[in-house]
Amino acid sequence: GAGVSQTPSNKVTEKGKYVELRCDPISGHTALYWYRQSLGQGPEFLIYFQGTGAADDSGLPNDRFFAVRPEGSVSTLKIQRTERGDSAVYLCASSLTSGRDEQFFGPGTRLTVL
Amino acid sequence: DQQVKQNSPSLSVQEGRISILNCDYTNSMFDYFLWYKKYPAEGPTFLISISSIKDKNEDGRFTVFLNKSAKHLSLHIVPSQPGDSAVYFCAASALRGGSEKLVFGKGTKLTVNP
Repeated sequence: GAGVSQTPSNKVTEKGKYVELRCDPISGHTALYWYRQSLGQGPEFLIYFQGTGAADDSGLPNDRFFAVRPEGSVSTLKIQRTERGDSAVYLCASSLTSGRDEQFFGPGTRLTVL
Repeated sequence: DQQVKQNSPSLSVQEGRISILNCDYTNSMFDYFLWYKKYPAEGPTFLISISSIKDKNEDGRFTVFLNKSAKHLSLHIVPSQPGDSAVYFCAASALRGGSEKLVFGKGTKLTVNP
C-alpha cells in the first residue's frame, strides 16, 4: 500500500516568505508527527497530532511555525517569515495509533531559504 | 544538550564481518529505544527496537543490546552486507501522554565494502 507522502519534495524560497509543507499519512493512521533534520543532525521532533488535535507541540521552535490537521488525515506545516536557519529537511511520520506503534516516515521536504 | 549521542560519525567494515554501532543516552526517563536506517533522499525506516525491561532483542541479522546501568545501547549486524550501507540513527523515547516523540542521535554512516 501507499506510504507516507510529502509535497513538495523540494522547496526554495526567499528569506521572509511564507511556506506550506504538506504531509499525507498512511490511510487509517491516527497519529502524525513532524520532525526537522538539519544538516549533520538527526531528526528533531516538532509536533505530534492525535486525530485532529495537536497533542504535543513542544518541539516547535517559535511562533513562526504552525501546523494543522483539520480532518485528521492530511497535515500542513506552515512557516511564516522564513529565515535562513529554517533550511532543513522536514520529515513527517505516521503511526496506526498513539503510543509505541511503529512510526513510518515520508521522504521529507527539503526546504532551502535563500 | 544532546540526550542521545552517537559518537562515531562513520564506520567502515568488510562484507561478511560484524558491524557494531554504538549509542549513549543521558535521560534516565527513556524506556524505549529504536534503530532507524536511512538511505539518501528517503525517510528513515524502522529497523529494530528494545524496551528497557530487556537487555537484548534479535531480528535476523540484527541484534540490539541495552545496558541500562551504563545508559548505552549497541546494534550488531552479522554478517554485514553491502546493502546495509546507510546512515543508522539511534532513537529513544519516554512515553508521555500518548506522545511517542522520538529523540534521535546524529547518526552513524555505515559503509560495507564488498
